[in-house]
Parts: sequence; C-alpha cells; structure tokens
Amino acid sequence: GQNIDQPTEMTATEGAIVQINCTYQTSGFNGLFWYQQHAGEAPTFLSYNVLDGLEEKGRFSSFLSRSKGYSYLLLKELQMKDSASYLCALTGGSSNTGKLIFGQGTTLQVKP
Amino acid sequence: NAGVTQTPKFRVLKTGQSMTLLCAQDMNHEYMYWYRQDPGMGLRLIHYSVGEGTTAKGEVPDGYNVSRLKKQNFLLGLESAAPSQTSVYFCASSDQAGTDTQYFGPGTRLTVL
Repeated sequence: GQNIDQPTEMTATEGAIVQINCTYQTSGFNGLFWYQQHAGEAPTFLSYNVLDGLEEKGRFSSFLSRSKGYSYLLLKELQMKDSASYLCALTGGSSNTGKLIFGQGTTLQVKP
Repeated sequence: NAGVTQTPKFRVLKTGQSMTLLCAQDMNHEYMYWYRQDPGMGLRLIHYSVGEGTTAKGEVPDGYNVSRLKKQNFLLGLESAAPSQTSVYFCASSDQAGTDTQYFGPGTRLTVL
C-alpha cells in the first residue's frame, strides 16, 4: 500500500520562500505529482518528478529523493495568489493504470 | 476545447434518492477517473476507466457505479444516496497512464440530507 503525509497547514509572508514537504511509504511508484488547488476550484498540475533531484519551473521547484521517501515543493517570491492547497500524489506501481494516490494536502496561507 | 466538464455543479439529494453525475472530456483521453474530496481526507479514487467499455474499482467504490459507454464520457451513479456520500466529486482524464498529467473537471458539490 501507499501512505502519504503532508503538513495540514502552513503560513508564509508575501515575497518569502516556503517549502512544503511530502513524505511517503510505498512498495513502488512511477512518479510523484504536485497539484495546486484554490478554494472551491479543481486541482491543477504543477510538477512531476520521476528521477531523484530538483525540477525547476519558474517560481516553483519540486524535489524528489526515492531513497529517503521524501519530496518537497519550493515556492519562491510568494504572491498572495499562491494561497491555496498543495497536493502531493504518487502514481503507478505494479499496475499501469495511472491511478493517483493523494496526500491530504497542505493549505498555504500567504500574508502581506 | 472545453477540457473536462462536469454536470451538475451542485445537487441536493434526500437519503435513498438516486442520481448520475456526468463527466465529459474533449481531449480524446483514454483514461478517466472519479474522485471524491472530503475535508482532511484529500482526494480519494472511487472508480476509474482505462478505455471505452472498461471500468475498475478504486479506493472507495462502495455505493457507486460507473459506466464508460463512450470514450469521451464517464458517468458516476449513486443508486441509493446516503449522508456519508456528501462530498465534492471530481472527474479527471489523462492521455497515458502513469506519466501523464491528469486534468480535472470543476467538480460537483453534492449534499445528501
């Protein structure tokens, strides 16, 4: 099975940097996704990590360490619009059906 | 190109009533998924489909049925609604399994009284 843990809530200041962690225990997976979800809206894709290391995309970066069962999402130059929930999800495993297993999500509040 | 659409957006049911949620995608995706999202629980997979005419159970399938008669549509049915099924339901689709992004619909907010 798969177990994914994320902090429930985080608060940060506009312009700052914040790191949202995701730890997992799983028998195997293909890759790890990060999604952003604003209140009352659908999740939208942020990043996908297959290999260990850092994937950078503008203000957002995502890191994966398979040996440590750990990922993080790094948000730089925080803006008020970054206030949202951030969902970590694992995909794959023994059956290639594309199923995603989500963590409970981290709600980030950005303050002025 | 509308992406993934869901109808209805909101619905209130009484216990024991039935309803069908419709998901449609215009991206010619093979894979489609139904999730429910509850406070503190994250998104949980109900049922999924790897192609037209196929369906399979996800993490929390009890009380739900699905059908994928056409590639672009994925229906989620509640035969006898229960208060425990009060939730926000999201449909998603993807082109390839495991490596491709899932695109989500706007969600259906269902309340069962």
